[in-house]
Amino acid sequence: DAGITQSPRHKVTETGTPVTLRCHQTENHRYMYWYRQDPGHGLRLIHYSYGVKDTDKGEVSDGYSVSRSKTEDFLLTLESATSSQTSVYFCAISEWDAEQYFGPGTRLTVT
Amino acid sequence: EDQVTQSPEALRLQEGESSSLNCSYTVSGLRGLFWYRQDPGKGPEFLFTLYSAGEEKEKERLKATLTKKESFLHITAPKPEDSATYLCAVQDGQNFVFGPGTRLSVLP
Repeated sequence: DAGITQSPRHKVTETGTPVTLRCHQTENHRYMYWYRQDPGHGLRLIHYSYGVKDTDKGEVSDGYSVSRSKTEDFLLTLESATSSQTSVYFCAISEWDAEQYFGPGTRLTVT
Repeated sequence: EDQVTQSPEALRLQEGESSSLNCSYTVSGLRGLFWYRQDPGKGPEFLFTLYSAGEEKEKERLKATLTKKESFLHITAPKPEDSATYLCAVQDGQNFVFGPGTRLSVLP
């Protein structure tokens, strides 16, 4: 987890509210990723970034948006949280678009 | 559609009892295959990258191998501290597809 922090680490929110998760890195890596991990599904890619202001969709991007205004920060926003977005969210970074280094995760519960 | 399966789902070993974990994949254009270790409540920890069939990588008691359709993670003389979930992932372009993992328990 060195060099990658996620905040908050735990959050409980109500259906319909917007939620923003933050990933912060001190490694100056170009690539950043957001995943969700659910039992029976493994890790699934939500969005990724290949540079400041450069982002693209992953496998499960519906209901999520991202922004990257600085190299070190990658924000994931749930525009209107639903119970199906209850999950553990992981941020990852990569220097060369290959092996990834993961943060400690954020456990999100939508009631 | 890219797919990754892992077997077995769970594995219990006695300390010192060597074994192998399997990762089978279907991908249109493999750029790399990755192995990670995940401890409960933590993010995955990178172990190995393999790029082409026949390639092998080793780290302590772990050895990863790759063929055209699958990868194996061999664990030699495991210790209780090797207990974790081991994840396999493939990269196809900018897409990363993870398998569901193998939960390994090593008993003293």
